[in-house]
Amino acid sequence: GAVVSQHPSRVICKSGTSVKIECRSLDFQATTMFWYRQFPKQSLMLMATSNEGSKATYEQGVEKDKFLINHASLTLSTLTVTSAHPEDSSFYICSALQGEGLGPQHFGDGTRLSIL
Amino acid sequence: AQSVTQPDIHITVSEGASLELRCNYSYGATPYLFWYVQSPGQGLQLLLKYFSGDTLVQGIKGFEAEFKRSQSSFNLRKPSVHWSDAAEYFCAVGPDYGGATNKLIFGTGTLLAVQP
Repeated sequence: GAVVSQHPSRVICKSGTSVKIECRSLDFQATTMFWYRQFPKQSLMLMATSNEGSKATYEQGVEKDKFLINHASLTLSTLTVTSAHPEDSSFYICSALQGEGLGPQHFGDGTRLSIL
Repeated sequence: AQSVTQPDIHITVSEGASLELRCNYSYGATPYLFWYVQSPGQGLQLLLKYFSGDTLVQGIKGFEAEFKRSQSSFNLRKPSVHWSDAAEYFCAVGPDYGGATNKLIFGTGTLLAVQP
């Protein structure tokens, strides 16, 4: 079945550093990928929609300068948390849309980000 | 605005017992409905989806769900629960016409515990 690889699975870093998370679709091309944030015991909150070859579309309240998204190819989207602070600690999950419209979204295994 | 409600935050069932997880949606058009499962520390796996046609949908791992327009519900069922089914379950509805046409709105999730 379709697989999405998300890397790294866990990262711990100091406050003020920038962290890059990669999301790759391994056996299909994904024009659209999504980035979610999940707080403990809560649902997924969509942060942004990543479109290959164009700018990402951010949800209301999400700082685009804080969370940089680059979708440079049909199989890779990256999320960079810039100048991370403890309040950015969370579980970040990406998904890749297979096909167009409401084709299935395939999710990565998530990245646990901890900022000290 | 579109929304999804999962009234049960936490459910415990005995292994071998039947299961029903509730999902209600608020939507202004014909909804596309999904159920996802999330194991601890991992991404989401699609269990099943409803787009149109037969309102009883079969999914993976022995799950099924029934779309009832009159009740705005899409409840997930399994006749006999296995210990490996313990996980968090998310109901989702799309598309969200307020943004990208393929954006999903997730419920808050139901955490399923299975006791021997």
